[in-house]
Amino acid sequence: DAGVTQSPTHLIKTRGQHVTLRCSPISGHKSVSWYQQVLGQGPQFIFQYYEKEERGRGNFPDRFSARQFPNYSSELNVNALLLGDSALYLCASRLRGLNEKLFFGSGTQLSVL
Amino acid sequence: TQLLEQSPQFLSIQEGENLTVYCNSSSVFSSLQWYRQEPGEGPVLLVTVVTGGEVKKLKRLTFQFGDARKDSSLHITAAQPGDTGLYLCAGEEMRGFKTIFGAGTRLFVKA
Repeated sequence: DAGVTQSPTHLIKTRGQHVTLRCSPISGHKSVSWYQQVLGQGPQFIFQYYEKEERGRGNFPDRFSARQFPNYSSELNVNALLLGDSALYLCASRLRGLNEKLFFGSGTQLSVL
Repeated sequence: TQLLEQSPQFLSIQEGENLTVYCNSSSVFSSLQWYRQEPGEGPVLLVTVVTGGEVKKLKRLTFQFGDARKDSSLHITAAQPGDTGLYLCAGEEMRGFKTIFGAGTRLFVKA
């Protein structure tokens, strides 16, 4: 079975541009979470979606948005990119919710120039 | 805002030494998880501890959850170069809608 897949793997953008990152969860998993990991730090929680509804939101500006589709895949959108948005963006899926194992993808490395 | 503080941030030891990594918070979590992350990859779960006072062993790794479910420790016995990596603790909020991570402990084991 395929694990969590993310696309693209690498992306270079310039300040002010918009970016869309994609995530396909493990088959049967209904919950998807997004994290931002800056070099040398732990992952910072951005969003969690379960059954296509936002269930949790981290301390990120409104430039960050996400959605989950009927097939449980997800997109993370970031508008008006800043240099500080450069990071590894990780997607994780789990079967449902509380205390269940998170499975992470390999991430999308975003560089904002 | 719930925070998880990990210590030390960086650890460089010789092969065969023992080490302990700590994860502390002022908040109560429904569970604590430990992950290991390699460069260019996402974190991979090592263990989940749920019950206060719980101790779990995974070969040379021993994980403990504090009695009050606010802190945890990871002890590695006889470290090997293959243990090198970033170790992350993560706490599950009581409502289960957010898993937050510590900043990580970067371990380097020299042969």
